Amino acid sequence: QSVLTQPPSVSGAPGQTVTISCTGSSSNIGAGYDVHWYQQLPGTAPKLLIYGKNNRPSGVPARFSGSKSGTSASLAITGLQAEDEADYYCQSHDSSLSAPVVFGGGTKLTVL
Amino acid sequence: QVQLQESGPGLVKPSETLSLTCAVSGYTITSNYYWGWIRQPPGKGLEWIGFIYHSGSTFYNPSLAGRVTISVDTSKNMFSLNLPSVTAGDTAVYYCARVAVFSTHIGYNNYYMDVWGKGTTVTVSS
Repeated sequence: QSVLTQPPSVSGAPGQTVTISCTGSSSNIGAGYDVHWYQQLPGTAPKLLIYGKNNRPSGVPARFSGSKSGTSASLAITGLQAEDEADYYCQSHDSSLSAPVVFGGGTKLTVL
Repeated sequence: QVQLQESGPGLVKPSETLSLTCAVSGYTITSNYYWGWIRQPPGKGLEWIGFIYHSGSTFYNPSLAGRVTISVDTSKNMFSLNLPSVTAGDTAVYYCARVAVFSTHIGYNNYYMDVWGKGTTVTVSS
């Protein structure tokens, strides 16, 4: 059972907008810790997608954006493309577990 | 640019010690980052193992603390993972990563992995 809860799967057609949620608690997201997002394409290592308050590393398209409210965070992908089909993970810090890194269970994005 | 490369045996027998190293190139390990390990069991999600600063300061996943040791060799620009007494449950792809940290306006440290190695598969089996 992951400390951060993500939907197992989401889907969308090319060009659409999809949102992936990441639900935490008062000891992680709700405590004020930032949420970071990773993309894992099939058979490859995870890649940093969003860090801090909606910052994108060089090379990550502006179609990817992150937000946070209360004890939850979201990753939005606009103008969905076939190459966005991947697993997405959220990550934060949990003070009650004394764990500077906790991951969500991951969400499989299918582009229809 | 910075690159990380994991190495180590792909097969470890139950009850033995899993030892992996991560060679860092294109960046000095004594710079202002942490260096960490993450694993991913087959068909499952990511699990944070721990990370280390070049000074030797470490943070470990509480669920693995007591079993895992991460060390750093600044002369070789590499860091290592040791996990003794392995079981089939330790079978996974093991990734090493560079770990960045920043503080928020309320003084909380936030850590995230900005560069990852390609990963190495470790199977625990007799």
